[in-house]
Formats: sequence, C-alpha cells, structure tokens
Amino acid sequence: AQSVAQPEDQVNVAEGNPLTVKCTYSVSGNPYLFWYVQYPNRGLQFLLKYITGDNLVKGSYGFEAEFNKSQTSFHLKKPSALVSDSALYFCAVRDQTGANNLFFGTGTRLTVIP
Amino acid sequence: NAGVTQTPKFQVLKTGQSMTLQCAQDMNHNSMYWYRQDPGMGLRLIYYSASEGTTDKGEVPNGYNVSRLNKREFSLRLESAAPSQTSVYFCASKMDRTNYGYTFGSGTRLTVV
Repeated sequence: AQSVAQPEDQVNVAEGNPLTVKCTYSVSGNPYLFWYVQYPNRGLQFLLKYITGDNLVKGSYGFEAEFNKSQTSFHLKKPSALVSDSALYFCAVRDQTGANNLFFGTGTRLTVIP
Repeated sequence: NAGVTQTPKFQVLKTGQSMTLQCAQDMNHNSMYWYRQDPGMGLRLIYYSASEGTTDKGEVPNGYNVSRLNKREFSLRLESAAPSQTSVYFCASKMDRTNYGYTFGSGTRLTVV
C-alpha cells in the first residue's frame, strides 16, 4: 500500500532563511507525489507535483521540491522564507490501484518568524 | 468565482441527529471527493465519485453515505451522528484521470456533542 510520512509536526524558520519541509514516501512502482498548502480556515491549495522527468520540480509561490528515488523522499524547499508562507503543508501520493485518489500525510505546520 | 462550494461552513449536531453536507463545483470536473481532516491524522478519504452516477468507498466510509446528484453536486450524509465524526470535512474535485490537481472547498467544521 502506498503512503507518505511527514516526520515533523512543526517547522520554524526565520524570515529570509531557506526552508525545508520533509516528506518520505512508500509505493510499489513509480510514485506520483504532490504538495499542498492550507492557510487558516481555507481548503488545501495545490503547490506542485512530480510525475516524471526532472527531479527538481518548481511550483507556486517560489516553492520547489526535490524528488530523490534512492532516499524515497520528496522534500519541499524555498530559498528564502516569507512570513506569509506560514501555513500547514501536506505531502500526498497518488493511489496506485487505479482510482487516482490521493493519500495525504499528517501535515507539517510551518511558522516563519519575522 | 469558479471553484468548489461547500455548505454549511459550521454545524453543531447532537448525537444521533442526521444532516447532509452539500458540495457543488462549477468547473465541469468529473471526479469529486469527500475528505475529513483530524489533528495529527491529515486528510482521510471518506467517499469519492469518479464520474456522474458512480460512488466508491475510501479509507473511512463507515457512518457516512454519499450521493452524486449530478455532475456538479456531491453530498455527504451522516445518518446518525456520533462524537467521533467531529471533524473538518473537505470536498474536492478534479477534471479526470490525467489531471492530478485537486480543487478543494473551504471546508465544513462539524461538531457532534
């Protein structure tokens, strides 16, 4: 069965510093991986996805993610954090049974400190 | 604005009461989903509808029923609410099997007392 793990419940980073939100996955076969962001009292918003191709994927709001097959990781990164990046971030993997649903991680709360 | 609309935004129920959560999308998407979000557990899929006229169970379907009324609307019903169903419920949709970008509604915060 496929799954994703987000090992950190909370990440704090100073404004202007680089940020990383970690995600590891477990799938049999090629993974389809996603990052979503949730701002307070809002639904999730799509940030980026990895389907195939370059291991470095660029997404919305200056975020990028690095797919690493040997480490089964898909970490979300941004070179310079903004206070407005403070939110809840979810990693997700596509269901490989054919239903194309997404399985989400437990989420990581990012706080950017001014 | 185009998107996914959920109603109501907030609801308090007594144990044993029933209610229906409504979801509608105006993007002509084929697939629709209901998730619940609980602290420390992320989002878990309750039911989904891959196309109009079809529905399937997700990870946590017990205690829920769904109806895909038409292409736009996908409702979630709690027949006899329990405190364990206190959660934030999200509806989502996407175009088809080749488009993996979900569009989420803003959620319904449900409390069962």
